[in-house]
Amino acid sequence: DGGITQSPKYLFRKEGQNVTLSCEQNLNHDAMYWYRQDPGQGLRLIYYSQIVNDFQKGDIAEGYSVSREKKESFPLTVTSAQKNPTAFYLCASSSLAGDYEQYFGPGTRLTVT
Amino acid sequence: GENVEQHPSTLSVQEGDSAVIKCTYSDSASNYFPWYKQELGKRPQLIIDIRSNVGEKKDQRIAVTLNKTAKHFSLHITETQPEDSAVYFCADGGSQGNLIFGKGTKLSVKP
Repeated sequence: DGGITQSPKYLFRKEGQNVTLSCEQNLNHDAMYWYRQDPGQGLRLIYYSQIVNDFQKGDIAEGYSVSREKKESFPLTVTSAQKNPTAFYLCASSSLAGDYEQYFGPGTRLTVT
Repeated sequence: GENVEQHPSTLSVQEGDSAVIKCTYSDSASNYFPWYKQELGKRPQLIIDIRSNVGEKKDQRIAVTLNKTAKHFSLHITETQPEDSAVYFCADGGSQGNLIFGKGTKLSVKP
């Protein structure tokens, strides 16, 4: 299960606060991704990055922000503008973007009350 | 935009029976189709994938078939076992540099 890590496993925040989820990989992968998982909704792409200092919006980017200052790290900030932030968040990486296996982290379950 | 339809959303089989999950995709430029398995409380993991230059791929009890003309692909699990119980996701490696996932199929294998 090593290679890509997320912390913390569980996170609780009050409504109106920004929160940053950590994602680190030591697989030397160029591409990294953030997904949100809700029951019955599958995996929905929030943001992805194919190279350092560059990233693209996915299908549900509103209310989220990311940075890619280092190849190994792709933190996700859930801002107060996200209307329904409570969810399970999964980070993934792949050697290159597109047609390559994605390796997932263990996920962070965020609860906002 | 691109999307992937996955059916059924839930599937219950008896141990030893076969299970089939089907997905359809919309991007005719797609050429990579992976399947992921997610056990309860765990991360998704790749179990098998297929590229558009082949029509079928097998790995022990798991097989995937691809019909590019009809834009659909299927996961076949034979001789199912209780440990096959999980949520299975298909995905489409389209032309945008990322995977588009189906909504998942919850497979229950009853002993």
